Amino acid sequence: DSGVTQTPKHLITATGQRVTLRCSPRSGDLSVYWYQQSLDQGLQFLIQYYNGEERAKGNILERFSAQQFPDLHSELNLSSLELGDSALYFCASSVVAGGGDTQYFGPGTRLTVL
Amino acid sequence: GENVEQHPSTLSVQEGDSAVIKCTYSDSASNYFPWYKQELGKRPQLIIDIRSNVGEKKDQRIAVTLNKTAKHFSLHITETQPEDSAVYFCAALFLNDYKLSFGAGTTVTVRA
Repeated sequence: DSGVTQTPKHLITATGQRVTLRCSPRSGDLSVYWYQQSLDQGLQFLIQYYNGEERAKGNILERFSAQQFPDLHSELNLSSLELGDSALYFCASSVVAGGGDTQYFGPGTRLTVL
Repeated sequence: GENVEQHPSTLSVQEGDSAVIKCTYSDSASNYFPWYKQELGKRPQLIIDIRSNVGEKKDQRIAVTLNKTAKHFSLHITETQPEDSAVYFCAALFLNDYKLSFGAGTTVTVRA
């Protein structure tokens, strides 16, 4: 157990819908990262927050957005869902913002868009 | 752009043999290179990492080597066991934006 929690574990929804994925970082970690892992694919970096502020952006679609709250938990919002959005979504956390410290991954949320 | 290439994509070894996975990166200023292991349906877990001030690091049966001049780093697993079967990802930290870029992964199968 990495100490990073994600809810829900599974999510099944229909095209066009909107969902919210939630992540709680390890105690003491200020950075939260979101990754997308499609079937048989690697880890694609989406976005990073550090202490409530957006820190870095990857290949995140405009239909996706995220935020980090004062208690440091983060939410990833996916809207106008398409079939191709079906994937495992991981969040990770680390102590600092620089990316050079260990990122601990949560168990992931498996999103299925029908 | 930021690029990490990982080879091979699949690797099958006999139990007890060694496994080697190689990665190359594009940013010569990168200074942090972690390796993650992901078992089927589970989270990626850090197994070892190396920083640019050292050329090799070992942890029991796992070792990582780094060649900064050639911009490549490798994971070595010795005396492989069935529980080593998993997908392994390398990553490199790109200093222009401090983002960790991952390789495409290597599926390792250890045959009993």
